[in-house]
Amino acid sequence: EVQLLESGGGLVQPGGSLRLSCAASGFTFSSYAMRWVRQAPGKGLEWVSAISGSGDSTYYADSVKGRFTISRDNSKNTLYLQMNSLRAEDTAVYYCAKAIGRITIFGVVIMEGYGMDVWGQGTTVTVSS
Amino acid sequence: DIQMTQSPSTLSASVGDRVTITCRASQSISSWLAWYQQKPGKAPKLLIYKASSLESGVPSRFSGSGSGTEFTLTISSLQPDDFATYYCQQYSSYPETFGQGTKVEIK
Repeated sequence: EVQLLESGGGLVQPGGSLRLSCAASGFTFSSYAMRWVRQAPGKGLEWVSAISGSGDSTYYADSVKGRFTISRDNSKNTLYLQMNSLRAEDTAVYYCAKAIGRITIFGVVIMEGYGMDVWGQGTTVTVSS
Repeated sequence: DIQMTQSPSTLSASVGDRVTITCRASQSISSWLAWYQQKPGKAPKLLIYKASSLESGVPSRFSGSGSGTEFTLTISSLQPDDFATYYCQQYSSYPETFGQGTKVEIK
């Protein structure tokens, strides 16, 4: 069974740091791009970050660029989100999600990852003094 | 960044109704669009990808259409399990972006 399990959430003071983890199982982890998506209390979904299957390419929302770092350890089937300089507005449930696949044309990758077909249960981050 | 705008924000409907949700992109995204369903306290669930491709296991009453800047999600006959919030998401370019959501409520 394909599964994602997040951990590492908790209460942290403004300006503090936290590292989220997402343990993957049931699929060839290194073959898929991964994403982090968050949802503030009572709000909609916000895309946070993405990483290619190899880990060579990373992307961020403007709201977290320079503060958050996405990474992965394919030997451990684990995705990470290092969050620094946390703000009250980073308070949210954080989900990791697996991309559906990649799109290639004549062997050239034109889209490293698209859509999100498997989601974790989420981990809650609260930034408050 | 590409802005995604959904309408309506809230929709009241009855079981058996045909329901349509619209999603507009601020610039062309070809067919690089997905739809998700989310119930309270749960993770989102993929319904549709590439604008019109039905995810495996999703009931056929769900369908998606559109390309370029205008897209629709249609539920042909609303079922009790379909009362939820629906989000569109573009993955044409980074940063990927979601619509603000459409809550489907019981009339």
